[in-house]
Amino acid sequence: GDSVTQMEGPVTLSEEAFLTINCTYTATGYPSLFWYVQYPGEGLQLLLKATKADDKGSNKGFEATYRKETTSFHLEKGSVQVSDSAVYFCALWDAYNFNKFYFGSGTKLNVKP
Amino acid sequence: DGGITQSPKYLFRKEGQNVTLSCEQNLNHDAMYWYRQDPGQGLRLIYYSQIVNDFQKGDIAEGYSVSREKKESFPLTVTSAQKNPTAFYLCASSIVDRDGGELFFGEGSRLTVL
Repeated sequence: GDSVTQMEGPVTLSEEAFLTINCTYTATGYPSLFWYVQYPGEGLQLLLKATKADDKGSNKGFEATYRKETTSFHLEKGSVQVSDSAVYFCALWDAYNFNKFYFGSGTKLNVKP
Repeated sequence: DGGITQSPKYLFRKEGQNVTLSCEQNLNHDAMYWYRQDPGQGLRLIYYSQIVNDFQKGDIAEGYSVSREKKESFPLTVTSAQKNPTAFYLCASSIVDRDGGELFFGEGSRLTVL
């Protein structure tokens, strides 16, 4: 079945450091891929998405490229800020599997000043 | 403003009681979802509905029930049969299209069983 695997956290970085959070997926068909962010005590917000192979999603300095050959969608940011501290979830949507969204377990990011 | 409203934000329940969590959306979305989130864990799907008067069980439906009588409303009842109901519950909605659209989330309801 469909699934999403993320690197375990927490990830602790100093401000202005480079960020990578790994995400790989398994899917029956041709999924759309997403990164969501959750700030403490809140719901999830869409950060970026990509709907087909080689697409790059980007938002607020974050980027992720849909790599079909490696079934990956790694999240990157060149210079993190304290305000980026949150939990990040990788997710997929596969129309061949009852239109459900599948989420990874989340990766907590702590950015220190 | 359009969005999803969940209530209550915090809820305390005694063992053996049923409780209902409200979820309302004014985004005109067809699909609605309920997820459960436990500390340090990801989201697990409880129930989802693609259309009014129809819904399907997710991965952890036991001990929960839902209804979808109106497009904008998708309440979740946590019954006394749910053995470990203390958790953070998230409601979401989406447009159903070929790309999967986007999930819009409410701010969540935190349920604590005393």
